[in-house]
Parts: sequence; structure tokens; C-alpha cells
Amino acid sequence: AQRVTQPEKLLSVFKGAPVELKCNYSYSGSPELFWYVQYSRQRLQLLLRHISRESIKGFTADLNKGETSFHLKKPFAQEEDSAMYYCALNPGGYGNNRLAFGKGNQVVVIP
Amino acid sequence: NAGVTQTPKFQVLKTGQSMTLQCAQDMNHNSMYWYRQDPGMGLRLIYYSASEGTTDKGEVPNGYNVSRLNKREFSLRLESAAPSQTSVYFCASSEGVPGPKYGYTFGSGTRLTVV
Repeated sequence: AQRVTQPEKLLSVFKGAPVELKCNYSYSGSPELFWYVQYSRQRLQLLLRHISRESIKGFTADLNKGETSFHLKKPFAQEEDSAMYYCALNPGGYGNNRLAFGKGNQVVVIP
Repeated sequence: NAGVTQTPKFQVLKTGQSMTLQCAQDMNHNSMYWYRQDPGMGLRLIYYSASEGTTDKGEVPNGYNVSRLNKREFSLRLESAAPSQTSVYFCASSEGVPGPKYGYTFGSGTRLTVV
């Protein structure tokens, strides 16, 4: 079964400092990876998909199949980045109809 | 374009009471899901419906039942609420064929407290 690991529950960074959220997965195939963000008391929103290779709100994430990782990075943290971040995996293919989520990272940006 | 709509937003139940959480989507998505969110546990899948007419158990189905009423609606029922079911419940939908290739669209959540 696929598994998504986000090792750090809480990450505190100063405004303007770089932030990196780690995500590792265990799956032998070619999964699709996502990052979701949840701001305080709001619904989860899609932040990034690895297949899009885009930068959203200054965040980027690169899929490293050799290291089975999909770390989320931003060079300069802003206060509005304080939120909960979830990494998620779609194994793909027929019969795999749901995402597997990590336990999440709480990010606190200190002014 | 409402996306995924959940009702109610807040609910307090007494132990043993029953209730149904409602979820509807207007994006013509095939698949719908119910998750619960608990501190330190992340998102755990309760039940999902890959397509209209089918439902399957997720990680934590005990104490819950679901109904895929039609393509738009997917409800979650607690028959006899327990304090361990205090949580935030999220409904989500995806195109679903094959799998949630483009990810999920989430509802705004239901904050349930069982006393």
C-alpha cells in the first residue's frame, strides 16, 4: 500500500527565511503528487500538482523518483504562508480511486 | 459555481444520537469522499464512492455509513454518535476516471462535537 510521510509536524520560520516541507512516499509505480494547503479554519485547497510543474504563491515542488520525495520549497517565507500543508499521492490507474495523505505540517511564520 | 457544499457547518450531538452530514457537488464529478481531520492524525478516509452506485470503506469506517444518493450527493451517517467521533469532517470530489488525476475539490467542512 502507498504511504506518504511528512516527518515534521511543526515548522517555525522567520519571515523572509527559506522554508522547506519534506514529503517522502513509498510506492513502486509512477504516482502523481500534490500539495494541499489549509489556512486557519478554511477548506483545503490545492496548492501544487507535480505534473503541472508550476510555481504557486512562490512555492515549488520537484518530484524526485530516485529519493521518492516531493519536497515543497519557498525561498522567502511570508506571514500569510502560516497554514497547514498536506502532501498527497495518487497511485494512478484504474482501481486506485483515492488520494493518500500525509499527516500534515503546521507552518508558523514569525514576523 | 458552488463546488462542494457541506451541511451543517457545526453540530453538537449527545452520545448515542444520530445525524447525517450532507454533501453535494455541482462539477459533474464521478468520485466523492468523506474524510475526518484530527490533530496529529492528518486526513483519514472514512468512505468513498468511486462512481454513482458504488461505495467502499476507507481507513476508518467503523461507526459510519454512507449513501451515494445520486451523482451529485454523498451523505455520511452516524447512527450512534460517540465522543471519539468528535472531529472535523470534510467531503471531497474528483473527476475520478481513472483515479483523482487532478486532485480533489474539498468542501468547507463540518465541525462535529459529541458530548
